[in-house]
Amino acid sequence: GAVVSQHPSRVICKSGTSVKIECRSLDFQATTMFWYRQFPKQSLMLMATSNEGSKATYEQGVEKDKFLINHASLTLSTLTVTSAHPEDSSFYICSALPSGLSGANVLTFGAGSRLTVL
Amino acid sequence: AQSVAQPEDQVNVAEGNPLTVKCTYSVSGNPYLFWYVQYPNRGLQFLLKYITGDNLVKGSYGFEAEFNKSQTSFHLKKPSALVSDSALYFCAVSPGGSARQLTFGSGTQLTVLP
Repeated sequence: GAVVSQHPSRVICKSGTSVKIECRSLDFQATTMFWYRQFPKQSLMLMATSNEGSKATYEQGVEKDKFLINHASLTLSTLTVTSAHPEDSSFYICSALPSGLSGANVLTFGAGSRLTVL
Repeated sequence: AQSVAQPEDQVNVAEGNPLTVKCTYSVSGNPYLFWYVQYPNRGLQFLLKYITGDNLVKGSYGFEAEFNKSQTSFHLKKPSALVSDSALYFCAVSPGGSARQLTFGSGTQLTVLP
């Protein structure tokens, strides 16, 4: 079946530094990937839609200069948290859509990346 | 705009007993409904979905869910709970199945007691 890999699974960084999280579709091509943020014991909130070869679409309230998204290939999207602060500490999850499909029923989720900013 | 409500933050059930995790939804048009499970520090795993057809949907690990249009509900059920079922469960809805418009409930922590 479809597999999405996220790396790193855990990262700890100092305040003010930048952190990059990768989301890879291992056995399928994904024109579209999604990035979510999950606070402890809360639901997933869609942050942005990552589109291969074009700019990401950000949800309302999400700072695009803070959360940089790059989708340079059909199998890789990256989320960079720039100048991270403790309030950016969270669990970040990506999902991927096989190219040519748009339905939620074919989404595959990554295992998530836990970011802790000291 | 669509929404999903999971009225119970926590559900406790004894091993071997039936379990129910509740979900109600609000959406314009035909709802696509999903259940996902999340283990600690892991991403979401797909359990089952309803798109159309039979109101009773069977999914992974012995779980099933019943779509009730009049009550706008999609409760998750399992006849006999296992300790390994303990996890966080999310209900989600998407109008017409759009991935970008997938909206999640707040989650229900299921604890199965041995």
